[in-house]
Amino acid sequence: SQTIHQWPATLVQPVGSPLSLECTVEGTSNPNLYWYRQAAGRGLQLLFYSVGIGQISSEVPQNLSASRPQDRQFILSSKKLLLSDSGFYLCAWSLGTGLGEQYFGPGTRLTVT
Amino acid sequence: LAKTTQPISMDSYEGQEVNITCSHNNIATNDYITWYQQFPSQGPRFIIQGYKTKVTNEVASLFIPADRKSSTLSLPRVSLSDTAVYYCLPNTGGFKTIFGAGTRLFVKA
Repeated sequence: SQTIHQWPATLVQPVGSPLSLECTVEGTSNPNLYWYRQAAGRGLQLLFYSVGIGQISSEVPQNLSASRPQDRQFILSSKKLLLSDSGFYLCAWSLGTGLGEQYFGPGTRLTVT
Repeated sequence: LAKTTQPISMDSYEGQEVNITCSHNNIATNDYITWYQQFPSQGPRFIIQGYKTKVTNEVASLFIPADRKSSTLSLPRVSLSDTAVYYCLPNTGGFKTIFGAGTRLFVKA
């Protein structure tokens, strides 16, 4: 069966510090991968998606970047965090053309202080 | 991408049927309608997807009228554990999914 992992579960970082969040998927090949951010009480905002290794599409201009060094690994990074980067970060995967179901990871709650 | 409108919140009691309607007036011909459920501090979970008429699974039913400008998620006999946020998403099969604010359902005992 397929599983998706995210770490860390929670993170408190000072403004201006770097960020690295990791997401890995097990039990499937060539998944589509997504990074979302959810502010408190709000809907999910799509940040990046990837349809293959090294292929990253950015949806929202910000100080975040994403990389996909391996087929089932998706990394979200920042060189300098802003207060506005606080939120709940979710990684998800899907198969095929993107019409089907997306499967979400447990999320990382980031607080920038 | 089609814009959706859902009620911000709804209240219900255990054992009742709950219907949540989503408006998507400018839905594209190729769009499917997908519904997700999200509990606090968890990622959304797929509930159901349909194109037109009625789709039913073990969790819910989805009604989409002929003009496809709206859809209704029906949850039969809700329980306290159905308290969650429910999202309606038009989906053409691309990857640019848009989750709106959703509908916050609160089920009371």
